[in-house]
Formats: sequence, structure tokens, C-alpha cells
Amino acid sequence: SQKIEQNSEALNIQEGKTATLTCNYTNYSPAYLQWYRQDPGRGPVFLLLIRENEKEKRKERLKVTFDTTLKQSLFHITASQPADSATYLCAFRMDSSYKLIFGSGTRLLVRP
Amino acid sequence: NAGVTQTPKFRILKIGQSMTLQCAQDMNHNYMYWYRQDPGMGLKLIYYSVGAGITDKGEVPNGYNVSRSTTEDFPLRLELAAPSQTSVYFCASKDRTTDTQYFGPGTRLTVL
Repeated sequence: SQKIEQNSEALNIQEGKTATLTCNYTNYSPAYLQWYRQDPGRGPVFLLLIRENEKEKRKERLKVTFDTTLKQSLFHITASQPADSATYLCAFRMDSSYKLIFGSGTRLLVRP
Repeated sequence: NAGVTQTPKFRILKIGQSMTLQCAQDMNHNYMYWYRQDPGMGLKLIYYSVGAGITDKGEVPNGYNVSRSTTEDFPLRLELAAPSQTSVYFCASKDRTTDTQYFGPGTRLTVL
């Protein structure tokens, strides 16, 4: 079955550093990957989408890469701020499916 | 736009009771989804709909039912609540042009 894995351990970094989160998938080739941010007690909020034919996508301080050979997506937040502290979820969609498959998320803590 | 709204925010049920979780969106999206999220876990798809009158099962549909009589509303029905249905439930709708899912604030359900 399709599987998507994110590091379950929290990532704890100093303000101003770059945070890098990892999303690995197995058993399928997704049409695209998405990254969402989730704050405690709230629903996920969409951040970025990267398609299978794209290597990299940027939005302000955010950057996502997609390596179909390694079956991995990396999510980077540069010049991190305490306000970036949240759980980040990755999700992928198969080309012929209406559904997203979500990872369990990685919690990011940015220390002032 | 209110986006995606969900009611109630919190609910405690006794084993065997039934209830309906309400979800509405005002973005005229055809695609709507119901997920559950258990502590420390990712989102699991319960049911989804690609338009009024069309619904289909997701990953974990047992114990739930849905209907979609209008584009705006997508209620989730729990029959004979069980402790295993204790979770946070999120409704989402999708903008088909951008493949972005918009989530509601969630309903926290406890079954005792």
C-alpha cells in the first residue's frame, strides 16, 4: 500500500536558522506533493504544491524540493522565526485519484 | 467568504448514541472531504464527494455515513458511536483549479 513518512521527532532549531523537514514515500509515484501547516487546535492550511515534473518550488521564505528518484520531498524554511513553530504535514496525490494521502506530520519548534 | 465551517466544535457522546457533524463551504467547490485525525497521527480520509449526489468511501469509512444533497453542505453521520471514534474530525473542500484543499476548524469528538 502507499505509504508516506515524516520524522515523528520534533525539530528544534534556533531563530534565524534554516529548518529542513523531510517527507518520504513508498510504493507509488505521486502526481504531486503538497505541504500544509497545522497549528494546535486548528485545521491544516495549504502552503505549497510541487508536481512530479518540478524539482523545486519557492514561496517567500519557503522552498520545497521533489526528488522522484529518492522518493523524497524536502521542505525548507529559511530565516526561521518563532511564529513558524507548528506541525507541518506533507501529502501526496496519485494522478488518477481525487484523494490525498497525508503523513503524520513533523513538529517544528523555533527558539527565540 | 466564511470558507469551510464546521459545527459543533466539541461534543461528548455516550457509546451507542448517534450524531451528525455539519460541514458547509461557500466557495462553490465540487470536491469535499471528511478526515479524522488521532493524536500524533496524520489525517485519515473517511469519505469524499466530487459533487452533489456523488459520494465515495475513503480509507476508514466503517461506522460513518455521508450525504451530499447540495454543493455547499456535506454532513457526516455517526451511527452507534464507539470509543474508537474519539478523534478530531476535519472537513475540507478543494479548489479544482489549484488542487488546494481548504480545511474547516475541526470538531473534537469524545465517545465515552
